[in-house]
Amino acid sequence: DGGITQSPKYLFRKEGQNVTLSCEQNLNHDAMYWYRQDPGQGLRLIYYSQIVNDFQKGDIAEGYSVSREKKESFPLTVTSAQKNPTAFYLCASKLGAEGTETQYFGPGTRLLVL
Amino acid sequence: DAKTTQPPSMDCAEGRAANLPCNHSTISGNEYVYWYRQIHSQGPQYIIHGLKNNETNEMASLIITEDRKSSTLILPHATLRDTAVYYCIVRVAGVNYGGSQGNLIFGKGTKLSVKP
Repeated sequence: DGGITQSPKYLFRKEGQNVTLSCEQNLNHDAMYWYRQDPGQGLRLIYYSQIVNDFQKGDIAEGYSVSREKKESFPLTVTSAQKNPTAFYLCASKLGAEGTETQYFGPGTRLLVL
Repeated sequence: DAKTTQPPSMDCAEGRAANLPCNHSTISGNEYVYWYRQIHSQGPQYIIHGLKNNETNEMASLIITEDRKSSTLILPHATLRDTAVYYCIVRVAGVNYGGSQGNLIFGKGTKLSVKP
């Protein structure tokens, strides 16, 4: 099946630890996105990538880093500099520059700080 | 970006039509109206989008007023599985490489509760 996957479903982070969230898609989409969602709130954009080997900061990039070495993969690292990392993290992908803004979302990763 | 205004919550009886309103009075001529929904603890799901004309697909219908300042998402026969938060988003289609025009901005949406 084509789709977008995220792992793990739940992730626990200790104080001062970096953790990496995985996002993979087999939809042959060019663009990929990372969002953060806090309880009762909408989604906020962390980083996005429109093409391999390039990515841009979103609205809340501080304390996060990403890479886009392959078209299929867009991992997000939550660094120790992110002081309030507990949230629901969502990855999405989109076909490309032309056409609509139809983004396809993964099931999400819930990050908790111990 | 044009901003949208949605009621925070709505109820609907199972089997009845659910009509979810959205105001976007500052929408530009080249901005589309998109609807997504998010079932609890899952990723958002695309529903439908439109520019000027009314649109219909297997999930829903989208009615856009002639002045484009508001729209209504219609779920014709709501089921319990339609209980979710529904997001109305306006956005220019296409991506401006190096810019953020192609990104979606999700607000708080409308929490639709379908009741038996």
